[in-house]
Formats: sequence, structure tokens, C-alpha cells
Amino acid sequence: KQEVTQIPAALSVPEGENLVLNCSFTDSAIYNLQWFRQDPGKGLTSLLLIQSSQREQTSGRLNASLDKSSGRSTLYIAASQPGDSATYLCAVNNQAGTALIFGKGTTLSVSS
Amino acid sequence: SQTIHQWPATLVQPVGSPLSLECTVEGTSNPNLYWYRQAAGRGLQLLFYSVGIGQISSEVPQNLSASRPQDRQFILSSKKLLLSDSGFYLCAWSVKENTEAFFGQGTRLTVV
Repeated sequence: KQEVTQIPAALSVPEGENLVLNCSFTDSAIYNLQWFRQDPGKGLTSLLLIQSSQREQTSGRLNASLDKSSGRSTLYIAASQPGDSATYLCAVNNQAGTALIFGKGTTLSVSS
Repeated sequence: SQTIHQWPATLVQPVGSPLSLECTVEGTSNPNLYWYRQAAGRGLQLLFYSVGIGQISSEVPQNLSASRPQDRQFILSSKKLLLSDSGFYLCAWSVKENTEAFFGQGTRLTVV
């Protein structure tokens, strides 16, 4: 059974710092991995999608990497801003499944 | 462009009352549709998914049901709500299985 773990559960950093969020999964047989952002009380916003054949994807200050063989992904946020404060969720699409399997998220707080 | 709508945004219902949450998608045809629940301290859990009109698959046994009366409409229902049905319900769509998923803004359900 696929399990997705995100470490740390919470992170506080000062504005301007570069940071890394971690995601690990137990079954490497995935189609893709998706990173989401969730603001309090809101829905999920898709940030990046990495196909299983890809190593990384970039969007603006965000860079996500994928090492499928080791079951790991990282989300790198450069030059963090207070507006980046949110919960970041990692999810995988299993080859044997029908929908996303989520981690519990990392809650990021960026102070000005 | 594609958009997804969920309503209502918040709902407070007494135990034993019925439930109907609606989700519609615009700008695409024959999407895969999903209902997830996010409970406090737990990750997102897939409740139902649908690959076409009238086709519903349930991931977990529960007090809820889903229907897809039209191509881009997905409804989550219950005949009699339980306290344990409280949570944040999210609707999502994708072009097909194992592709990028897009989420609605969610419905906060409190059963009292």
C-alpha cells in the first residue's frame, strides 16, 4: 500500500531564505507526483506536476525534483516571501491506483 | 480555460439531516471527477471517483454516496448525516486517470 510522508510537518523561516520541503513515498511504481499549495480554509492549487520519467520541473521560484528509485521528491522555494505561507501537499498517482495519494503536508510560515 | 465550482462553501447541518454537495466543471468534456475529504490531522482521503456519467466508484465504505447525473456535474449526498461526517470536502477533476488534477475551493461541513 502506497504511503506518502512529508517532513517537516511545520517550518518557520525569515523572509528571503531558500528552503526545501521533503516528500517520500513507499512504492516507486508511480505515474507522476504533484505538488499543491493550500491556503487556510481553501482548496488546493496545483504547483508542479512531475512525470515519472522526469527528474525536475520548475515554475518561477519553485523547483521540484523527483528521484523515483529512492522514493523521494523535494520542493525547493527560492527567496521565500510572506505570501508563500501556506500548507504544501505532495501527492502521487500510483500505477496500480486511480487517484492521488496524499501526504499530510508541510505548513510553511514565512515572517517578514 | 477550465474551471471547477463547488458549493456551498460552508454548511452546518444537524445529525440525521440529509446532505447534498454539488460540483461542476466548465471548459472540458468527459472529465474524471473525484470527491475527497480532508479531516483535521489527517491527509486527504479519496471518497469517490467517476470516469463518466452514471459511473461511480467508491474507495471507502461510509455514510455517503455520489452521483454523476451529467457529464460535468458531480454530487455528494447523504440520507442521514453523522457527527463523523464533519470535514472539508473537495471536488477535483482531471482529463483522465493519472494526469494533473485540479481542485475546487472546498466545502466546510460541520455536523452538530
